[in-house]
Amino acid sequence: KNQVEQSPQSLIILEGKNCTLQCNYTVSPFSNLRWYKQDTGRGPVSLTIMTFSENTKSNGRYTATLDADTKQSSLHITASQLSDSASYICVVSDRGSTLGRLYFGRGTQLTVWP
Amino acid sequence: EADIYQTPRYLVIGTGKKITLECSQTMGHDKMYWYQQDPGMELHLIHYSYGVNSTEKGDLSSESTVSRIRTEHFPLTLESARPSHTSQYLCASSKAGDPSLVTDTQYFGPGTRLTVL
Repeated sequence: KNQVEQSPQSLIILEGKNCTLQCNYTVSPFSNLRWYKQDTGRGPVSLTIMTFSENTKSNGRYTATLDADTKQSSLHITASQLSDSASYICVVSDRGSTLGRLYFGRGTQLTVWP
Repeated sequence: EADIYQTPRYLVIGTGKKITLECSQTMGHDKMYWYQQDPGMELHLIHYSYGVNSTEKGDLSSESTVSRIRTEHFPLTLESARPSHTSQYLCASSKAGDPSLVTDTQYFGPGTRLTVL
């Protein structure tokens, strides 16, 4: 069972609108959570990273939140643009005994229409 | 923009052919990774390397093999491709190889879309 679940699976919004993507995880012990953006036919690119002690992190129009108690994160996109159309992937790292490992969600496919 | 490159970007071949997917990075990273990604699914780690002459299998069993003769180069080889190998293959690299470290972000290449007929 995937330890990182994302919702919705896909989302269509109009240009200029805001949206929020969700990520729930069961990874333990938790180390950090990253949001990646993956354009079609490209590799993922890191947007934000948060540790246990952080509950919000912004990168331009992208704002990520983290609730480590409920093991939930969200990625809020403000004033969407056509270039925001992509898959957004939630990635959680555990704190292993030696090295951490990554757990990937399946992504939310966002489409922004003009 | 990450300095990590993959070739070819797209490859369509027949069953039974031997193929090599190339990956190179110019960031001086010791740690490199190969992931397999099917549409709408999560990335699965198939191989990783912590340095020259070091290679390990990842979480997902794969019939592919890798080599690490130079720091900047991490090619993946399929000796006899089959339709079940059809997928996207993503190469990545990082500095420390420990994703529990906030500073250890993995940088991904653009991927190779492989189709085996």
